[in-house]
Amino acid sequence: NAGVTQTPKFRVLKTGQSMTLLCAQDMNHEYMYWYRQDPGMGLRLIHYSVGEGTTAKGEVPDGYNVSRLKKQNFLLGLESAAPSQTSVYFCATTLRGGPSYEQYFGPGTRLTVT
Amino acid sequence: GIQVEQSPPDLILQEGANSTLRCNFSDSVNNLQWFHQNPWGQLINLFYIPSGTKQNGRLSATTVATERYSLLYISSSQTTDSGVYFCAAGGATNKLIFGTGTLLAVQP
Repeated sequence: NAGVTQTPKFRVLKTGQSMTLLCAQDMNHEYMYWYRQDPGMGLRLIHYSVGEGTTAKGEVPDGYNVSRLKKQNFLLGLESAAPSQTSVYFCATTLRGGPSYEQYFGPGTRLTVT
Repeated sequence: GIQVEQSPPDLILQEGANSTLRCNFSDSVNNLQWFHQNPWGQLINLFYIPSGTKQNGRLSATTVATERYSLLYISSSQTTDSGVYFCAAGGATNKLIFGTGTLLAVQP
């Protein structure tokens, strides 16, 4: 099992360009999350999904869009990248229901916007 | 919303020493987790512990929900324990609020 994977691992964008980050999981988890991590700060939730076809806003959703067309994939889009979106992006998943709510994280995507 | 504070912000230990990391949260929670971020950036879940005590090898955690704090104990520290330890708290929706972490450096 690959667990949680993220594509790409690194990316450099110019201001105004767009891109999509892909998160894929093979654990059959219902909940998926996108976080960003900036230096000296903890992780902040951008958007999340509690199931296929559903999405919701987190703490810092502005400038991002998401889609969950398939249960195993959660896409994070930047329509017009800004230098303030330079960050490390992490995807996480959680099994819905039952006694276990541990979040499992992907390896991260390092994005630089110049 | 919930606020999460961690202390200390930085900690330097000699190999073999013990340490206690603290996490305070501002409201009642039903989800409290500890994570370790290794020097390569990978985040690993250590404990899901909304209340009570758990142990896993040299690590253990205790959450006193009524007093709104959680403690992470590391015994006989090793260099591989180095990294950032995050506490995260949340409610029933599984939306977690992360603290700013404790940076631990274990020296040989």
